[in-house]
Amino acid sequence: EVQLVESGGGLVQPGGSLRLSCAASGFTLSNYEMNWLRRAPGKGLEWLSHISGSGTTIHYADSVKGRFTISRDNAKSSLYLQMNNLRAEDTAVYYCARGTYGYIYWGQGTLVTVSS
Amino acid sequence: DVVMTQSPLSLPVTLGQPASISCRSSQSLVYSDGNTYLNWFQQRPGQSPRRLIYRVSNRDSGVPDRFSGSGSGTDFTLKISRVEAEDVGVYYCMQGTHWPRTFGQGTKVEIK
Repeated sequence: EVQLVESGGGLVQPGGSLRLSCAASGFTLSNYEMNWLRRAPGKGLEWLSHISGSGTTIHYADSVKGRFTISRDNAKSSLYLQMNNLRAEDTAVYYCARGTYGYIYWGQGTLVTVSS
Repeated sequence: DVVMTQSPLSLPVTLGQPASISCRSSQSLVYSDGNTYLNWFQQRPGQSPRRLIYRVSNRDSGVPDRFSGSGSGTDFTLKISRVEAEDVGVYYCMQGTHWPRTFGQGTKVEIK
């Protein structure tokens, strides 16, 4: 059974950093492209970043480019999102999801709250 | 960026009645491989998003056949033939053709 489990969320001050992890099981991570998405309170879904199976191709949304870094460790079956210079508007539930053109598998999400 | 515009944004429906959500893209969603990567997602309260439809009209495994997708180019529709109580939630269209991937604003479906 495919499972994606996010972790690493929490409360952080504006300007701070956080690293999210997504543990994958039930499939070979290296065979799949992966993504991070989020849903802020009262707002809709937002795609943030994508990484190819080998990690050589990466895309970012403009809203996080230069602040967030996606990476993966296929040997550990894990996906990561390093978030720096966090802002109040980054407060959201963050999801990892598998796929290229659409996302059939999603994690349960991890809540990030940016507040002083 | 490709702008995805959904309507309506709020959809009160009577149980057993049909419902329809429109999604329009600012550019064609036909990819160079000939496929149109338009997806529909459902997000129930407190749950992760669930994909219902991929490539315009293909239902994912386990999705009830009361859900159907149609459209082409820049105009797409999600239909629920007979709304059930478990269909309450927010529905999103999403394009997977262009970078960055973009979602519609979401349509909140509630029972009258």
